Amino acid sequence: NAGVTQTPKFRILKIGQSMTLQCTQDMNHNYMYWYRQDPGMGLKLIYYSVGAGITDKGEVPNGYNVSRSTTEDFPLRLELAAPSQTSVYFCASKRQGGNGNTIYFGEGSWLTVV
Amino acid sequence: AQKVTQAQTEISVVEKEDVTLDCVYETRDTTYYLFWYKQPPSGELVFLIRRNSFDEQNEISGRYSWNFQKSTSSFNFTITASQVVDSAVYFCALSEATGNQFYFGTGTSLTVIP
Repeated sequence: NAGVTQTPKFRILKIGQSMTLQCTQDMNHNYMYWYRQDPGMGLKLIYYSVGAGITDKGEVPNGYNVSRSTTEDFPLRLELAAPSQTSVYFCASKRQGGNGNTIYFGEGSWLTVV
Repeated sequence: AQKVTQAQTEISVVEKEDVTLDCVYETRDTTYYLFWYKQPPSGELVFLIRRNSFDEQNEISGRYSWNFQKSTSSFNFTITASQVVDSAVYFCALSEATGNQFYFGTGTSLTVIP
């Protein structure tokens, strides 16, 4: 069972570079999320999507962009990487909206900006 | 406003001791869901349990038990006879029936000393 798959797992970026973190889920979940986790901190929501073609900002969206062209995929793009974006990024998904469905996470992507 | 507070930042116990991780939440919704996730040193986030606001029954799963008390807005997690493999960061989270987001606490880092 693949679940939520993120790539790459590790990446080092130089300041000013851009990259895309890929996320795909095979559970036919319509809700997808991107979180970041800074060292010793909790999870902060970057962007989320309630379905294909629909995205919305979370708590910390600046410096990121997302798209949701299919139900399965929810890539996160970092434009002009900055050291403040050094973090662990988690993609997650869940089946439906506010009915208590469990959110399932990918394994995380460790990003370092130098 | 929604909020999840895990006041214990770090806890250390000796193997076989019992330990309780505290979680206090705030919400205006009458229907909501509470979750616990485990993040072992390998970094992934593992779902442990989900409770809805209408079910205050305590739950036990092996050495794990959860105490949900609406009167004190708490959803505490107890590990009985702790083991080294329990060493991890544990996150409490809240999801409301009327919303699309999850709200995470800042996590409690548990170290079980052999």
